[in-house]
Amino acid sequence: GENVEQHPSTLSVQEGDSAVIKCTYSDSASNYFPWYKQELGKRPQLIIDIRSNVGEKKDQRIAVTLNKTAKHFSLHITETQPEDSAVYFCAASGGGSYIPTFGRGTSLIVHP
Amino acid sequence: EPEVTQTPSHQVTQMGQEVILRCVPISNHLYFYWYRQILGQKVEFLVSFYNNEISEKSEIFDDQFSVERPDGSNFTLKIRSTKLEDSAMYFCASSQQGDNQPQHFGDGTRLSIL
Repeated sequence: GENVEQHPSTLSVQEGDSAVIKCTYSDSASNYFPWYKQELGKRPQLIIDIRSNVGEKKDQRIAVTLNKTAKHFSLHITETQPEDSAVYFCAASGGGSYIPTFGRGTSLIVHP
Repeated sequence: EPEVTQTPSHQVTQMGQEVILRCVPISNHLYFYWYRQILGQKVEFLVSFYNNEISEKSEIFDDQFSVERPDGSNFTLKIRSTKLEDSAMYFCASSQQGDNQPQHFGDGTRLSIL
């Protein structure tokens, strides 16, 4: 089955800095890669996703890049704000199963 | 914006008792899912449901678990004889289609087994 590794487990940045979270996956057939943001005690919320037919996708301060050859994808947050503080999960699915396999999560802390 | 709703928000149950967690998926969604998240850990897939039957399930989803869509709106997860290790946050999710489509999560039910 699919295995998703996510790094780092904790990321601490100053407000205004950029943050990058990286994930690798094992199944070369995976073709859908969503990112979820989970604030403390709340539901995971989809913030951005990318499909294997594109290499990069941007939505305001958030971008995701995908390298299919290397089987890794990354979340980039620019001009971080304290409200970006949350746990971020990457996931991968495809290749016969539409069930996403989640990474272990990155706790992002943005200091004002 | 339509949301997935879950009830109750918190359920406290004695070990060995049965619990039923309830979910109302987004109305035009066809695929439904249950996940669990043990405190501080990642989200783990339990089961998916489409066209009134289970389409996929994980190793976690053993004989003590069952799902049902008793009517046109509710989607339930039943745990027959709860164990201490069932204590977790249980999330329901739904999606319009199955393949490579965003899944929308509910707020979850925190299940505490005593």
